[in-house]
Amino acid sequence: AQSVTQLDSQVPVFEEAPVELRCNYSSSVSVYLFWYVQYPNQGLQLLLKYLSGSTLVKGINGFEAEFNKSQTSFHLRKPSVHISDTAEYFCAVKRGGSNYKLTFGKGTLLTVNP
Amino acid sequence: EAEVAQSPRYKITEKSQAVAFWCDPISGHATLYWYRQILGQGPELLVQFQDESVVDDSQLPKDRFSAERLKGVDSTLKIQPAELGDSAMYLCASSTSGTNNEQFFGPGTRLTVL
Repeated sequence: AQSVTQLDSQVPVFEEAPVELRCNYSSSVSVYLFWYVQYPNQGLQLLLKYLSGSTLVKGINGFEAEFNKSQTSFHLRKPSVHISDTAEYFCAVKRGGSNYKLTFGKGTLLTVNP
Repeated sequence: EAEVAQSPRYKITEKSQAVAFWCDPISGHATLYWYRQILGQGPELLVQFQDESVVDDSQLPKDRFSAERLKGVDSTLKIQPAELGDSAMYLCASSTSGTNNEQFFGPGTRLTVL
C-alpha cells in the first residue's frame, strides 16, 4: 500500500516570498502524484498532477512541482506567493492503473502574511 | 461551469440520530466518490461507485454507514445511528471513467454530532 507524508503541517510566509511545500511518498510500485488545494469550507481543487514524462510539472495559479523518484518526493513550489494563496494544500498518491484509490497526506496549511 | 452539488452544506445532529447527505455529480461522470475528512486530516475514501455499482467500500463502516446510487446519477450517503466520532466534512467527487481522470470535488457537508 502507498502512503504520503507532508513534512510540514503549517508554513507561514510573507507575501511575494517563495514557498516550498514538501511531500514524500512510499510505494513499491509506480504511482501517480497530485497536489490539491482547499480553501476554507470548500472542496478540493486540483493544482497539478504527475503521471509520466517530464519530472517538472506546471499547474494552475503559478504553482509547479518536481517528481524525484530517487528521493520519493513531490515538492510543490511557487516563486512568489499572494495573500490569496492562503489555503490548505494536500499531496496525494495513486497507484498506477485503474480503480486504485487516491491516498491523501494530512495537509499543509499555507498562510501568506502581508 | 459544471459543478458537483452537495446538500446540506451543514448538518448538526445528536448522537444516535440518522443523517443523510446528497450528492449530484457533474453530468456524464460515471464515477462517484464519497470521502470523509476529519479536521486536520486529508480526505479518506469511504466508497467509490462506477455507475450504480460499488467498486470500493473497504473503508466504509458498514454497521452504520450506507451509500447508494440507484440510477447511476445522484447518490446518498446515510449514517444511522450517528456517533460523536462521525463529526467531519463529507466530500463528494466525480470523474469520467478512466485511469487518471481528474476528480472534481463538491463543497462538502460539514457534520457535527452532539
